[in-house]
Amino acid sequence: GDSVTQMEGPVTLSEEAFLTINCTYTATGYPSLFWYVQYPGEGLQLLLKATKADDKGSNKGFEATYRKETTSFHLEKGSVQVSDSAVYFCALSLITGGGNKLTFGTGTQLKVEL
Amino acid sequence: NAGVTQTPKFRVLKTGQSMTLLCAQDMNHEYMYWYRQDPGMGLRLIHYSVGEGTTAKGEVPDGYNVSRLKKQNFLLGLESAAPSQTSVYFCASSYSPGQGLNSNQPQHFGDGTRLSIL
Repeated sequence: GDSVTQMEGPVTLSEEAFLTINCTYTATGYPSLFWYVQYPGEGLQLLLKATKADDKGSNKGFEATYRKETTSFHLEKGSVQVSDSAVYFCALSLITGGGNKLTFGTGTQLKVEL
Repeated sequence: NAGVTQTPKFRVLKTGQSMTLLCAQDMNHEYMYWYRQDPGMGLRLIHYSVGEGTTAKGEVPDGYNVSRLKKQNFLLGLESAAPSQTSVYFCASSYSPGQGLNSNQPQHFGDGTRLSIL
């Protein structure tokens, strides 16, 4: 079946450090890929998405490139801030007759310290 | 902008009790979903709906029922609560996919309901 694998956390960084959170996927079709972010006590918010190979999604300084050859969608940010502390979820979606259901990774907790 | 609203936010139940979680969205979305979030397991889909009056099973449907009588509301029911159903429950909604390939619409999430079963 379809699945998403993320690097385990927590990831602890100092402010202004470079961030990479790895994400790889397995899918029977041609999925769209998403990164969602969950701040403490809140629901998930869409951070960025990519719908086809070589697309780059970007938002709030975060970016990720859809790599079909390596089945990856790694999240990066050049300089993290304390306010980026949250849990990040990679997800894939395939259009089927039953709706565009999301398959999530297990999430990666990011802690950014001063 | 309300978006997706879940009620209640917290609830404690005893084993065997029943309850209903309510999800309401004001974005005129066709699709709605219920997930549960457990430590180390990400989010898992319980049930979903692709339109008013329709529901379907997700990855972990056992012990839950749902109803979509109105387009804006999606109810999740626990008929006889069990400790294994202690979790954080999230509702989400989205537009239906557009025509053609790769027209996935992002899902919008509520803030969650934290449910404890004793």
